[in-house]
Amino acid sequence: GDSVTQMEGPVTLSEEAFLTINCTYTATGYPSLFWYVQYPGEGLQLLLKATKADDKGSNKGFEATYRKETTSFHLEKGSVQVSDSAVYFCALWHTDKLIFGTGTRLQVFP
Amino acid sequence: DTGVSQDPRHKITKRGQNVTFRCDPISEHNRLYWYRQTLGQGPEFLTYFQNEAQLEKSRLLSDRFSAERPKGSFSTLEIQRTEQGDSAMYLCASSPESDTQYFGPGTRLTVL
Repeated sequence: GDSVTQMEGPVTLSEEAFLTINCTYTATGYPSLFWYVQYPGEGLQLLLKATKADDKGSNKGFEATYRKETTSFHLEKGSVQVSDSAVYFCALWHTDKLIFGTGTRLQVFP
Repeated sequence: DTGVSQDPRHKITKRGQNVTFRCDPISEHNRLYWYRQTLGQGPEFLTYFQNEAQLEKSRLLSDRFSAERPKGSFSTLEIQRTEQGDSAMYLCASSPESDTQYFGPGTRLTVL
């Protein structure tokens, strides 16, 4: 069945470092892809999405490109801040519901 | 913008007790979803409603679980005879019949 695989965390970075969190998916067809973020003590928030191949989703300095050839949707940010510390979930849309990866914890230190 | 709200935020119960959680979606959204998230894992789909109709239930939803959305607005999720394995965060999300979902803060259940 459809599934999402994320790199294991935690990812530990210094402020202003470049961020990549890898996400690959297995799916029939070309589902919409998402990144959600969960800050400590809060619910999931949609960070960005892409609905078709080669689309780039972007928000708050984060970007991810839907790569059909490599079945990937890696999350990137050029310069992380301490406030970006959170758990990031990659997800795909499958028959009217979201299928999530296991999440990647990002820790950014000053 | 009131967002999705859930009540209670935390629930501690003893094994064997029944618990009920409530979710109030964004008012104009006709779809409402329940997910379960255990420690270190991503959310897993449990069930969803379109208006008052329950359209799909996951195999994760055993007979001890029941969900309702009687008037197409708020929803309740009841767990009967709770077990320690039911300890998790229960997330509710609503959607305007699209692939974008808006999540509530969750209800954290601890079964002792």
